[in-house]
Amino acid sequence: DAGVTQSPTHLIKTRGQQVTLRCSPKSGHDTVSWYQQALGQGPQFIFQYYEEEERQRGNFPDRFSGHQFPNYSSELNVNALLLGDSALYLCASSLFGRGVSGYTFGSGTRLTVV
Amino acid sequence: DAKTTQPNSMESNEEEPVHLPCNHSTISGTDYIHWYRQLPSQGPEYVIHGLTSNVNNRMASLAIAEDRKSSTLILHRATLRDAAVYYCILSLSNFGNEKLTFGTGTRLTIIP
Repeated sequence: DAGVTQSPTHLIKTRGQQVTLRCSPKSGHDTVSWYQQALGQGPQFIFQYYEEEERQRGNFPDRFSGHQFPNYSSELNVNALLLGDSALYLCASSLFGRGVSGYTFGSGTRLTVV
Repeated sequence: DAKTTQPNSMESNEEEPVHLPCNHSTISGTDYIHWYRQLPSQGPEYVIHGLTSNVNNRMASLAIAEDRKSSTLILHRATLRDAAVYYCILSLSNFGNEKLTFGTGTRLTIIP
């Protein structure tokens, strides 16, 4: 049973560019959340998608946007990259309504902005 | 939002028990206590959760103080694979789609 799959694992982008990160949820899960983890910090919630709609959003600017597809997979897009966007981006999947103990995380995408 | 406080780091010898503390003095009566851990180069993984009573599962035990203002995650026999950052997280319920609010956690080092 495959867990959460994220791609790519590592990425280097130049300041001002745009980036797209991808996530395939665990089999049986229908909800995808994205988190940003800066070095030495705990993950910070970006947003959550269910039924192809953004359901919750954290304190992140509009440069961060997302999408969920009918097969429940998801993309995170970041426009106009800043050096401060360098971080580990984590995708977590869950079954809608099953609560905080039901999240399964991927291993993340390490984004470096130069 | 109720906050949690954890030590930045702890060390323990391999094959000995580990007690990881978490203070949550502003916890409300209905807040659940969850623990996640993050192994090196991986995303966080669920460990255990509870409301009022102590809880056990195959990974760990959770001891909750009678006044619920603190809790302790217990690893009964630490192995090198338990070296990770451990996060104590509160949630309003154990249902729904509440986001996880992480602090900086406790970095646990296991000494061989």
